[in-house]
Amino acid sequence: GQQVMQIPQYQHVQEGEDFTTYCNSSTTLSNIQWYKQRPGGHPVFLIQLVKSGEVKKQKRLTFQFGEAKKNSSLHITATQTTDVGTYFCAVTGGSNYKLTFGKGTLLTVNP
Amino acid sequence: DGGITQSPKYLFRKEGQNVTLSCEQNLNHDAMYWYRQDPGQGLRLIYYSQIVNDFQKGDIAEGYSVSREKKESFPLTVTSAQKNPTAFYLCASSIVEGGEAFFGQGTRLTVV
Repeated sequence: GQQVMQIPQYQHVQEGEDFTTYCNSSTTLSNIQWYKQRPGGHPVFLIQLVKSGEVKKQKRLTFQFGEAKKNSSLHITATQTTDVGTYFCAVTGGSNYKLTFGKGTLLTVNP
Repeated sequence: DGGITQSPKYLFRKEGQNVTLSCEQNLNHDAMYWYRQDPGQGLRLIYYSQIVNDFQKGDIAEGYSVSREKKESFPLTVTSAQKNPTAFYLCASSIVEGGEAFFGQGTRLTVV
């Protein structure tokens, strides 16, 4: 099945610092999705990227899809305590449309 | 209120017993999924279904079974053949296979 590597596994920041998580694939992706899971909660959809080189913004969050459609990043500017949680990328690619998740990046924020 | 309902939220079973986890959606979504979540493992796909009466194995289907007799329902049975069944189970649905997924609240299964 589709494999995706997400790094880092953990990230601890001081409130106000920036945060970035990366998702990498060895094969070309049809699209990539990002989800956030708060502690004790369930994953919630954030965004989907489809086009090569696409950049989308949601307030302090910036999402990028690589030119080759093999990698993506999520960047949070000036983190807040409400950003705490695990951020997952999810991918479909090639002829296989099943949705496969990365292992996630757990973000903790020190107030 | 539209959404996905998983029940129960917590479930305890004795080793060797089969257990069925419920997942119901009223979003009129065609695709439904079951994922298993363990600490540090992310979400691993157990089974998925694109349409009624059809489903496919995911990456870790051994020891699990599903049915899709109705569009709204996709129950998961954890059988006694599953070696390590204690985990957090998440059900999801999407309009199309591979589209934006909506998740239920999850069922935390503990087998003792």
